[in-house]
Formats: sequence, C-alpha cells, structure tokens
Amino acid sequence: SQQGEEDPQALSIQEGENATMNCSYKTSINNLQWYRQNSGRGLVHLILIRSNEREKHSGRLRVTLDTSKKSSSLLITASRAADTASYFCATDELSFGAGTTVTVRA
Amino acid sequence: GAVVSQHPSWVICKSGTSVKIECRSLDFQATTMFWYRQFPKQSLMLMATSNEGSKATYEQGVEKDKFLINHASLTLSTLTVTSAHPEDSSFYICSATGGAGLAGAPQFFGPGTRLTVL
Repeated sequence: SQQGEEDPQALSIQEGENATMNCSYKTSINNLQWYRQNSGRGLVHLILIRSNEREKHSGRLRVTLDTSKKSSSLLITASRAADTASYFCATDELSFGAGTTVTVRA
Repeated sequence: GAVVSQHPSWVICKSGTSVKIECRSLDFQATTMFWYRQFPKQSLMLMATSNEGSKATYEQGVEKDKFLINHASLTLSTLTVTSAHPEDSSFYICSATGGAGLAGAPQFFGPGTRLTVL
C-alpha cells in the first residue's frame, strides 16, 4: 500500500512555536502532497513535493522528502491559532493517512 | 470500513451539455460531503462543501452556477456540471463524513468520476 501515515497523531503547541509532523509511506512515489483540514471543511491542498525534490517552501511551510527513508516532514513555522487543523499527507495515488491533529494555543 | 460510491465512473459528453455525477454513502449517513476536482498530475482541489439540507459552500474561484451541488439526503449528493466545456474535463472526486466535518472525523473518498468533454 502506498498509504501515507502521519506521526504524531496529535500535537499541541503554543502560538509562535514551530510544529513538525512526519509522514511515512511504503512504496516508490512520483510525488507526495500535504493537505490541511479545518473543522467543518474539506481537504485543502498545501504543497506538493516531487520525488526528485528534497525540500520545498511555501510561506511558513517547509516540506522535506527523503525517498531513501520513504518519509516526508511538514514544518509550520511561527504557528498561529488559525493553523489549528488536521494535516494529512498523500502519495500520488491519493491514499491518505489518519492525519496529525494540530492545536495551536493562544 | 465506510464505503462511498460515485456514478458514473466515467462520462464523455459533447460541449454544451450538462452532466450529473452522483456520490453516495453506502453504509453510513453523511452529514457533510465534499467535492474535489483533480487535473492530470495535479493535486486535489476542493470545490465545495455540502451539508445535508442546506446550500453548498463553494471555494473561491468555483462558479456555483456552473457546478450545481445538491445534497438532498444523508446518503446522496449530486454535482451537475452545467453547459460543460472541454476545460471542465477533469477527475471529480467526492468524499463524505458522518462527523459533521468535525476535526478528526474520518473522511471517506469515492472512487472518482472521469469527465471528458469533447
């Protein structure tokens, strides 16, 4: 299965701190994507990283990809209360894991 | 696990016609359903969120008159692409949740519908 699996399951941080979550997968991929889901909303695409890329930035988001370890990480810097959401990774077959729930405390 | 079906699996239509895509939750009541579009080799793009019995909430840039969404029952939502044009050709995916879209409530995805407009 190419399902992405996120770790940790839940994360609680103070506003202004960084949040890091990881994703592991099992087989070769063409790309890996990170999504966010706010309460009551659908999945919103955050960033896509291709298999030949090692790191990608988008605003306060930084994604790394290590194909040798079959893992990816998502770093949210200087977190805000609005970053409170569940974060999911998905491989190119759109197999989603259970997600990491991030709570940012004011 | 919960099953979400979509019908049809694929459809080819002429430009100017309307196409209806159905999304059904087969073994649970879906209080909230989401519609996504995916262009080739691109990510899922959320189009709209529909809650049973109320009007859908559309994402910015998605034409509500173009993409009509109806969520008349707890097990069925429909997406109608009106006056389809070739640029509407895409893969349309729905997902459903029984947790009223609450954070952490699992979201179950349908298999998708491939729309090709000639």
